[in-house]
Amino acid sequence: GEDVEQSLFLSVREGDSSVINCTYTDSSSTYLYWYKQEPGAGLQLLTYIFSNMDMKQDQRLTVLLNKKDKHLSLRIADTQTGDSAIYFCAAMNTGFQKLVFGTGTRLLVSP
Amino acid sequence: DSGVTQTPKHLITATGQRVTLRCSPRSGDLSVYWYQQSLDQGLQFLIQYYNGEERAKGNILERFSAQQFPDLHSELNLSSLELGDSALYFCASSVALEGEQYFGPGTRLTVT
Repeated sequence: GEDVEQSLFLSVREGDSSVINCTYTDSSSTYLYWYKQEPGAGLQLLTYIFSNMDMKQDQRLTVLLNKKDKHLSLRIADTQTGDSAIYFCAAMNTGFQKLVFGTGTRLLVSP
Repeated sequence: DSGVTQTPKHLITATGQRVTLRCSPRSGDLSVYWYQQSLDQGLQFLIQYYNGEERAKGNILERFSAQQFPDLHSELNLSSLELGDSALYFCASSVALEGEQYFGPGTRLTVT
């Protein structure tokens, strides 16, 4: 089955760019998502990309997809302390409705 | 606020007991999903319902069951509870069978 992996931790300074990386194993994954989880809160859908796209930009967020390497990244420009949270990458295969989540990357933004 | 509501927010119960978690999807969404988030297993898909019918099943134990009612709200029933069932249980909804899933705030279950 699908396996999604992420690094566990990233620390950046306020104003810098953050890049969170994710790899997945199933080349049939057609939808790839980024969710944000703040302490004690649910999962907030940040953005997503279809497998036939290479890049998607949404305000401060840029998603890059390298389908050949099965690698997904989320870049947050001008990172703020309010961006401190756990970021989850998730993959979905058409026909299989479940999301397969990575372990989450804890982003710490220091002033 | 995603528009998905879950009750209760917290639940503390003893081993062997049975609990029911409730979820109301976003207005207009027909699909409801249940996920479990625990420290050792991470976020795991449990089950999906679409317009009242079960559509996909994941790592759901036989002690757990779910249903979706005609008004599209869903309930997850957990029985014969064990300490290892302590986790955050999330409900998510989407408009159709696939596509973006919007998550509720979760129910934190503690089994003592």
